[in-house]
Amino acid sequence: QSALTQPASVSGSPGQSITISCTGTSSDIGHYNYVSWYQQHPGKAPKLMISEVSNRPSGISNRFSGSKSGNTASLTISGLQAEDEADYYCSSYTGSSTLLYVFGGGTKVTVL
Amino acid sequence: EVPLVESGGGLVKPGGSLTVSCAASGFTFSNAWMNWVRQAPGEGLEWVGLIKSKTNGGTTDYAAPVKGRFTISRDDSKNTLYLQMNSLQTEDTAVYYCVTESLGAFHVWGQGTVVTVSS
Repeated sequence: QSALTQPASVSGSPGQSITISCTGTSSDIGHYNYVSWYQQHPGKAPKLMISEVSNRPSGISNRFSGSKSGNTASLTISGLQAEDEADYYCSSYTGSSTLLYVFGGGTKVTVL
Repeated sequence: EVPLVESGGGLVKPGGSLTVSCAASGFTFSNAWMNWVRQAPGEGLEWVGLIKSKTNGGTTDYAAPVKGRFTISRDDSKNTLYLQMNSLQTEDTAVYYCVTESLGAFHVWGQGTVVTVSS
């Protein structure tokens, strides 16, 4: 089971929208709707932003949205703000006995 | 009140053992499926393993790199999760987070405890 594939970096200006992709396989993202996204600021623990492909936990801004098509999931941040600058990780359930959950390599979001 | 607080990290020599703990509060720990996720310095997140609630059998699952070396256990009477790590290798150096899991997502994270394996 390989890690999910994310772009190393994405950038945008304040107020713009950006989208981070997360590509897996038919055994993980393509098979299950258990895709989630996490935000991590330097030196801090990750924070759940999206669960089950597109669900926002309580307290998460509606500027964050998730979707999935085939083996690829996406996180869109609209109305980009300075505080959104962070690392973002996707994750998927795999059902595999050797690696039940797989993460992406992470995407550094920079607000220009 | 911080829901999850890890402790017990430190420096250990290759081949050594270490047990880290995670104290839970503010939610019904006994009903929670608990996981350990680690992050090596400058690297991404890696799932380590999980333990289901006792009502769901209390069974464990582990990632291949740690299977047979790491053991996850829980003491619901103490609201505490444990990760016993044996035969530690330099590549096990990481911040170890305890995390609650539900419906395929990791909801509540601790602040992490640092484990360094070095001679």
